[in-house]
Amino acid sequence: NAGVTQTPKFQVLKTGQSMTLQCAQDMNHEYMSWYRQDPGMGLRLIHYSVGAGITDQGEVPNGYNVSRSTTEDFPLRLLSAAPSQTSVYFCASGEQSTMMGQFFGPGTRLTVL
Amino acid sequence: AQKITQTQPGMFVQEKEAVTLDCTYDTSDQSYGLFWYKQPSSGEMIFLIYQGSYDEQNATEGRYSLNFQKARKSANLVISASQLGDSAMYFCAMRGPTGANSKLTFGKGITLSVRP
Repeated sequence: NAGVTQTPKFQVLKTGQSMTLQCAQDMNHEYMSWYRQDPGMGLRLIHYSVGAGITDQGEVPNGYNVSRSTTEDFPLRLLSAAPSQTSVYFCASGEQSTMMGQFFGPGTRLTVL
Repeated sequence: AQKITQTQPGMFVQEKEAVTLDCTYDTSDQSYGLFWYKQPSSGEMIFLIYQGSYDEQNATEGRYSLNFQKARKSANLVISASQLGDSAMYFCAMRGPTGANSKLTFGKGITLSVRP
């Protein structure tokens, strides 16, 4: 199993550009989520999904869109990048039916100039 | 709403000694889970240990144990026999009941440095 994979690992954007961060998991997990990590802030939830076709907002959803067309994939779209979106982005997946931990991808370091 | 508080400044411990990392939480849910994650300098998030709110015994995973005091709403991580590889950022997190509350709420983290 590859676990949770994220691409790209690093990305530099200019203000106003759009892009999609890719996330995939091969563990057949129902639950997937996106977090951003900023210095001194811990991880904050952006969006999450409890199954294909179902998504919901987290703590900091503004400026981001998600969709979940398959169990495996959960892409995060930045519609018009802003410097405030410079961060490290983590995708995670887990089983919704148990109270166990989520598995995290390796992260994407995004810089918006 | 769920809240996790980690207020310790950077922690230092001598190799082979034990260290306790503090975590307090707040929630109105009766059923919840508590987690600790390790983030080394390489950046990945590594799941360490889990404690369910109805578990009567403290969770243990190798050198990691979770000191769960429900009445005090604390879930401290104890690392025994510290190793140099334990130097990392440690995050406490919680989730509510299954379903829509599956999301994790994280604390701001604690930096642990292990001295040789």
